Amino acid sequence: AQSVTQLDSQVPVFEEAPVELRCNYSSSVSVYLFWYVQYPNQGLQLLLKYLSGSTLVESINGFEAEFNKSQTSFHLRKPSVHISDTAEYFCAVSGGNQGGKLIFGQGTELSVKP
Amino acid sequence: DVKVTQSSRYLVKRTGEKVFLECVQDMDHENMFWYRQDPGLGLRLIYFSYDVKMKEKGDIPEGYSVSREKKERFSLILESASTNQTSMYLCASSLARARGYTFGSGTRLTVV
Repeated sequence: AQSVTQLDSQVPVFEEAPVELRCNYSSSVSVYLFWYVQYPNQGLQLLLKYLSGSTLVESINGFEAEFNKSQTSFHLRKPSVHISDTAEYFCAVSGGNQGGKLIFGQGTELSVKP
Repeated sequence: DVKVTQSSRYLVKRTGEKVFLECVQDMDHENMFWYRQDPGLGLRLIYFSYDVKMKEKGDIPEGYSVSREKKERFSLILESASTNQTSMYLCASSLARARGYTFGSGTRLTVV
């Protein structure tokens, strides 16, 4: 079965610093990859997704993620974070033998300090 | 935008009670899902449905059942609530797998 591993459970950073949230998945077949964000006391919102084509995908609020097939990774990056980016971030994968289901990682709590 | 509405944000129930968590989506999506979210464990799939009257077990279905009598509504049922079912429950819907999911705001259930 597919699995998703988020390598860091917590990432504390200072405001305006760069950040990388790491995600690895297990499938070797074609997959779709997603990053979701969960702000405190809210549901999950789609941040960005990779379906095909360019391996670099971007969100409207400055995050980007790069699909690396050889390393089965989909790391999320932002060159300069804001206090408002404080949230939990989930990596997810669908496809392969999972049909339409999304398999989620354990989540990474990003804490941005002033 | 698709809206997924979960009927309660917070619930407190007693051990042994039968609990219903309701989820309604307004965009005619075929696919609906129930997850539970626990710290350090991420989201785990309980049940899902690809069509009316259809249901499939996810990774942790024990102690739960579901009902999908109408396309827009997907209910999660705890037959006899236990304290280890205290959790955040998230409902989601999707049109197709490549589009990802739309999530509801979640129901935080406490079983005492």
